[in-house]
Amino acid sequence: AQSVAQPEDQVNVAEGNPLTVKCTYSVSGNPYLFWYVQYPNRGLQFLLKYITGDNLVKGSYGFEAEFNKSQTSFHLKKPSALVSDSALYFCAVRDKEGSTLGRLYFGRGTQLTVWP
Amino acid sequence: DAGVIQSPRHEVTEMGQEVTLRCKPISGHNSLFWYRQTMMRGLELLIYFNNNVPIDDSGMPEDRFSAKMPNASFSTLKIQPSEPRDSAVYFCASSLKGGGAYEQYFGPGTRLTVT
Repeated sequence: AQSVAQPEDQVNVAEGNPLTVKCTYSVSGNPYLFWYVQYPNRGLQFLLKYITGDNLVKGSYGFEAEFNKSQTSFHLKKPSALVSDSALYFCAVRDKEGSTLGRLYFGRGTQLTVWP
Repeated sequence: DAGVIQSPRHEVTEMGQEVTLRCKPISGHNSLFWYRQTMMRGLELLIYFNNNVPIDDSGMPEDRFSAKMPNASFSTLKIQPSEPRDSAVYFCASSLKGGGAYEQYFGPGTRLTVT
């Protein structure tokens, strides 16, 4: 079975500080991993993905994520948070060898609040 | 690129009425997904299509829900009859291909309120 866990419902950080939004996953094989962001009253917006190779993936708006196979984690990070980063963040996984033909398994989401 | 287009953006209806939500995927994408988002249940996959064929509808709540994709550029999600517990934001998403490393692109959503 494929699943994603985002252990924190909320993350609060001060502007200018580094931020981390945590994600752990479970797949039977090797994963494709994704991060999405959702601003209020908007659809989910793709941020970045891990396919293979370098464990550090860089994405939009200065975000990056680190794949750790031994810990089955894919935490989202940013060195210096902005107030405009405040949004709901979703982690998602797909099994590379799976036969689900496209289905992504999403976490419950983490609400990030960056205060001035 | 217009992105995924959904209509209407907001729908308010009375219990028992039929509701039809519409989606136009990104041109050239051959996979389409319908999701529902609520505070209580988060983001749920309802159904997805590959090359206009339904692949997995196990997330459709009950027989009141049905989805069609008559061609590569249009899909509908219908609820008949609607109930207050169907109130949610419904998203349509498309991707270039099903599976693999392809990301999904989401529409702006339809906010459905059933009174």
